[in-house]
Amino acid sequence: EVQLVESGGGLVQPGGSLRLSCAASGFTFSSYWMHWVRQAPGKGLVWVSRIHSDGSSTNYADSVKGRFTISRDNAKNTLYLQMNSLRAEDTAVYYCARGRSTYMDVWGRGTTVTVSS
Amino acid sequence: QSALTQPASVSGSPGQSITISCTGTSSDVGGYNYVSWYQQHPGKAPKLMIYDVSHRPSGVSNRFSGSKSGNTASLTISGLQAEDEADYYCSSYTNNSTVVFGGGTKLTVL
Repeated sequence: EVQLVESGGGLVQPGGSLRLSCAASGFTFSSYWMHWVRQAPGKGLVWVSRIHSDGSSTNYADSVKGRFTISRDNAKNTLYLQMNSLRAEDTAVYYCARGRSTYMDVWGRGTTVTVSS
Repeated sequence: QSALTQPASVSGSPGQSITISCTGTSSDVGGYNYVSWYQQHPGKAPKLMIYDVSHRPSGVSNRFSGSKSGNTASLTISGLQAEDEADYYCSSYTNNSTVVFGGGTKLTVL
């Protein structure tokens, strides 16, 4: 069964850091682009970042550029999102998703990040 | 990158057809055939319904179809069913090598 399981969310103070992980199973992880998408409470989906199957290329939304870093370990079938200088507006459910460069065909259940003092 | 524009809500009766629009610019929707659509039920993860404007993933009902004209893409759901009630989001690849979503449309089946 194809599965993505996010972890690492939690409560963090403004200005703090958090590292999200996404464990992949049931497919050849190293063959797919991977994305992070977030959804603030009661709001819509917002694309955050993507990474090429071999990690050679990454892209970010303007709202997180310079603060977030996407990475992957194909040997461990795991995707990461390092989030620094967190702000209240980063509060959201963070989904990892498998896909191609332009769309996401398998989604995890998400992990919740709350930025508050 | 500004979000794509979708109507906040649409509704239809069982058996009817509805269309959800998704308007962008020549830098995203109009510039590439890389529009996708996602269905999200409350409290659930999104599900891919359409990719590359009009392609359906395996397992998605053929009642769902996609198209594009200029800077506007559309998702049509025919033969509406109660289980189609959900939020729908479009997305597009952009000329900044990023992806942008629409604001979402709440579909109500009357």
